[in-house]
Amino acid sequence: GESVGLHLPTLSVQEGDNSIINCAYSNSASDYFIWYKQESGKGPQFIIDIRSNMDKRQGQRVTVLLNKTVKHLSLQIAATQPGDSAVYFCAEGRSGTYKYIFGTGTRLKVLA
Amino acid sequence: EAGVTQFPSHSVIEKGQTVTLRCDPISGHDNLYWYRRVMGKEIKFLLHFVKESKQDESGMPNNRFLAERTGGTYSTLKVQPAELEDSGVYFCASNLAGSDTQYFGPGTRLTVL
Repeated sequence: GESVGLHLPTLSVQEGDNSIINCAYSNSASDYFIWYKQESGKGPQFIIDIRSNMDKRQGQRVTVLLNKTVKHLSLQIAATQPGDSAVYFCAEGRSGTYKYIFGTGTRLKVLA
Repeated sequence: EAGVTQFPSHSVIEKGQTVTLRCDPISGHDNLYWYRRVMGKEIKFLLHFVKESKQDESGMPNNRFLAERTGGTYSTLKVQPAELEDSGVYFCASNLAGSDTQYFGPGTRLTVL
């Protein structure tokens, strides 16, 4: 797959359990944060985003938490399913600049 | 609605050859971006088009890389001559003017031998 040679941290979770994927971002001026999911052979797919004026945002089975004090972002997936197995990337952006800075990614493995 | 498409999905070339990658953004998206992930590294920004104009090309690694978006629709990224370190996956993304969320294509895996 596309990630051959890329040594990613891996999170293994039992099916049905909750997953928490963490990300440290680099730029204190960043004001927009996104989580992407990348399955093998596909491009990054948008999951959820959050702006810096919020601490928490919820979607369907996913929640993103933002801690600006320590520049930390997390993605929580409730009731993890086999289809959630993928590499998850966080990205940060700044209004007016458009380019994203990506984290290294975390591989989520869901165990049956 | 069709998503961002990229062609080819894979390309294997020899060092010194030329390769051209193509990206078709989502219809109506003025913003188009190129990113790449080389082996063992994170996804990195290459450049940003607004319609046919290069808005930010600060991530282009060197002058062997040339991106164009004539007519403001699809874009091409040419690597000439290709070097071994250019191997990786090249992603294209697009979004509407004023939108923060970028939508990514499936990527082109480039292997330089």
